[in-house]
Amino acid sequence: SQKIEQNSEALNIQEGKTATLTCNYTNYSPAYLQWYRQDPGRGPVFLLLIRENEKEKRKERLKVTFDTTLKQSLFHITASQPADSATYLCALDLGGSQGNLIFGKGTKLSVKP
Amino acid sequence: NAGVTQTPKFQVLKTGQSMTLQCAQDMNHEYMSWYRQDPGMGLRLIHYSVGAGITDQGEVPNGYNVSRSTTEDFPLRLLSAAPSQTSVYFCASTLAGGTSTDTQYFGPGTRLTVL
Repeated sequence: SQKIEQNSEALNIQEGKTATLTCNYTNYSPAYLQWYRQDPGRGPVFLLLIRENEKEKRKERLKVTFDTTLKQSLFHITASQPADSATYLCALDLGGSQGNLIFGKGTKLSVKP
Repeated sequence: NAGVTQTPKFQVLKTGQSMTLQCAQDMNHEYMSWYRQDPGMGLRLIHYSVGAGITDQGEVPNGYNVSRSTTEDFPLRLLSAAPSQTSVYFCASTLAGGTSTDTQYFGPGTRLTVL
């Protein structure tokens, strides 16, 4: 079965630094990979989507890379701010007719001022 | 648009009781789904629907029923609550599933405790 791992449960960094979160998967290559942000007591909110034929996608201070050889996606937040503190989830979309996502357990990012 | 709404926000049940978690969306999305989120585990798919009148099982469907009589509503029923169903439940919707690149929009969640 497909497995997805976010190899850090928690990541603590200083304000202004770049945060890098890792998402690894096994078995099948996903059609798309998505990143979500989740704040305590709230539902996940979509951030970025990257397709299997894309190497990199950017949105403001966010950057996602997708390496199908390594079976890995990296999520970067540049010039991090305390407001970026949240749990970040990666999710695989295998495609098909259901559009189901397989979620990782998430990485809790804390940005200290 | 209100997006995806869920009620109630919190619920406490006794073992064996039944209840329905409500989910509604006003974005005319075809695809809706229910996830549960437990500490140390990722979101796990319970049931999903690709359109009105069509539902299917996800990864962890046991103990839950769903129906989809309208595009807007997708209720989740717990038939006989068990302590193992203590969790946070999220409803999500997307315009279309599968090959679409549309993202999933999540509701605020229902925190359920079964004693």
